Amino acid sequence: AQKVTQAQTEISVVEKEDVTLDCVYETRDTTYYLFWYKQPPSGELVFLIRRNSFDEQNEISGRYSWNFQKSTSSFNFTITASQVVDSAVYFCALSEAGRDDKIIFGKGTRLHILP
Amino acid sequence: EAQVTQNPRYLITVTGKKLTVTCSQNMNHEYMSWYRQDPGLGLRQIYYSMNVEVTDKGDVPEGYKVSRKEKRNFPLILESPSPNQTSLYFCASSLSTSGKHEQFFGPGTRLTVL
Repeated sequence: AQKVTQAQTEISVVEKEDVTLDCVYETRDTTYYLFWYKQPPSGELVFLIRRNSFDEQNEISGRYSWNFQKSTSSFNFTITASQVVDSAVYFCALSEAGRDDKIIFGKGTRLHILP
Repeated sequence: EAQVTQNPRYLITVTGKKLTVTCSQNMNHEYMSWYRQDPGLGLRQIYYSMNVEVTDKGDVPEGYKVSRKEKRNFPLILESPSPNQTSLYFCASSLSTSGKHEQFFGPGTRLTVL
């Protein structure tokens, strides 16, 4: 079965702290894609990153980094030196190459960055 | 500008009054989808379309209809809305149906059914 679990419903950290958002997925496919999206208070959904199942390299983009570990079926997202503008709901999502129709989202983690 | 547009952005209606939420994309994307977002439940897929005249049910299709007569448009139809369809709705499109491309989301439509 295809499933995405974001166990952290809500996290609060003080500005400049580092924070990691967890994402654990389940799939029976060997080829799949993982995504992270950001939903700021304004409500729109913004794409952050895509990773395919054959590329386990970690990725860094400015203060954002992603750790993909197939051994633990996890695709965690870390924000370094957090800022108030990082406050948002973050969604992890999974799609399987053989199932074009199915894109499953986790329930999201609401992140509060306190000034 | 490449975008997905939805209209209306906000809608308050009454039970049983048919309504349509429009969705249009200007990126020539094959794949389009509708989601609803509810507190604690995340995003759940309602319907999706892999191309013109090809649509299928997602996880929560009951009470909704869609059509895909043109590649750019994917309207969501509520024939007889009920209060449990009060939600935030997102339309999305993706370049292909391979699953490997990210989705572009519209700005959302907040629907309240009284």
